[in-house]
Amino acid sequence: QVQLVQSGAEVKKPGSSVKVSCGASGGTFSTYSVSWVRQAPGQGLEWMGGIIPMFGRTNYAQKFQGRVTITADEFTTTAYMELSSLRSEDTAVYYCALSSGSDGTFDIWGQGTMVSVSS
Amino acid sequence: DIQMTQSPFTLSASVGDRVTITCRASQSISSLLAWYQQKPGKAPKLLIYEASSLESGVPSRFSGSGSGTEFTLTISSLQPDDFATYYCQHYNTYPWTFGQGTKVEIK
Repeated sequence: QVQLVQSGAEVKKPGSSVKVSCGASGGTFSTYSVSWVRQAPGQGLEWMGGIIPMFGRTNYAQKFQGRVTITADEFTTTAYMELSSLRSEDTAVYYCALSSGSDGTFDIWGQGTMVSVSS
Repeated sequence: DIQMTQSPFTLSASVGDRVTITCRASQSISSLLAWYQQKPGKAPKLLIYEASSLESGVPSRFSGSGSGTEFTLTISSLQPDDFATYYCQHYNTYPWTFGQGTKVEIK
């Protein structure tokens, strides 16, 4: 069973960028879709985009187009999400999630990474 | 984008109660709908996929139904471990979107 382990909490200034990593262990990674989902404090879940590492093919939510870049390294079985031009509204927990079953359903989740944006 | 609307926002119930949560899509999504359970400080957990298929390891008191634009999640007999927030999510077309969540509280 694949497990996902994310990088640690970040504190960033407005206008800067953040890059969060998501390492997979215990199973195959490259043929599954890896998505990033965020959750602002006290709010619901928001899909940002995803990648299939084997093909490098990405899809992004329109809301984040131009600000988010999702990449994956098959050899280190690690996915990355970089968000630029940070603003206070980007303060949230960022999760990576794997679709090892039906594409689009997230059956394996990372533990989450808190990103705080404050001047 | 397809909008997902859940009702109710909050639900107060007692252990043993039958609980139903509704999720409506702004356009047809066939059966491409999933349900998740989330507890405070934890990542969501997949319960149901393809509207009615139970994820491995999920108790059988959870069930899902529906197709097209209207879906339901039912907990047949609420257990103490079930007090949490529940989200629906479609995966019919990009972007995949979630409902706003339904919090199930202890009555």
